[in-house]
Amino acid sequence: TQLLEQSPQFLSIQEGENLTVYCNSSSVFSSLQWYRQEPGEGPVLLVTVVTGGEVKKLKRLTFQFGDARKDSSLHITAAQPGDTGLYLCAGPFNTGNQFYFGTGTSLTVIP
Amino acid sequence: NAGVTQTPKFRVLKTGQSMTLLCAQDMNHEYMYWYRQDPGMGLRLIHYSVGEGTTAKGEVPDGYNVSRLKKQNFLLGLESAAPSQTSVYFCASKIGGGYEQYFGPGTRLTVT
Repeated sequence: TQLLEQSPQFLSIQEGENLTVYCNSSSVFSSLQWYRQEPGEGPVLLVTVVTGGEVKKLKRLTFQFGDARKDSSLHITAAQPGDTGLYLCAGPFNTGNQFYFGTGTSLTVIP
Repeated sequence: NAGVTQTPKFRVLKTGQSMTLLCAQDMNHEYMYWYRQDPGMGLRLIHYSVGEGTTAKGEVPDGYNVSRLKKQNFLLGLESAAPSQTSVYFCASKIGGGYEQYFGPGTRLTVT
């Protein structure tokens, strides 16, 4: 059973389009992290959201933490080929010693 | 700084063989982790360590052992490899109390 479910699993869009990726759980998390992973490399942290309802922006990427701290979304405006990659959400448990990772969303932006 | 490095990058094993994966970090991080990544499964935690000399089981520890004899190194061992252990293995480290994990480039292991 996956504690963090991400949707969609795969997404292929044209350059310039907007998209939203979702990370959902039935459990409450004290925070959620979003990572991006490029082929052949390890994940790299994009952002951490901590407060319910929090919105963070990173250039064309907007991250939101749900009010109940059970879900999060990542919205990309005017996607570019450089946004291509695997997007993973993660949440801490066991006093922050361990982390669950979501199933991942593989994004391809076609030029 | 090299960050987190993993050795080797690729390995092919026959069923029943053993091997050790080495993870090294030069950031003086307390916490270190071993994950495996399989298609459609995200990253799953195998074992982790909250400091030198300590280790603990994660979500999928069976068939693996670990050791953290030095703060900068975290070793993952497979005593008797099985085809189900074919995967990409990632090591990560972080500071105590922080959220951000720094990942190595991964080791692609195939067990035939």
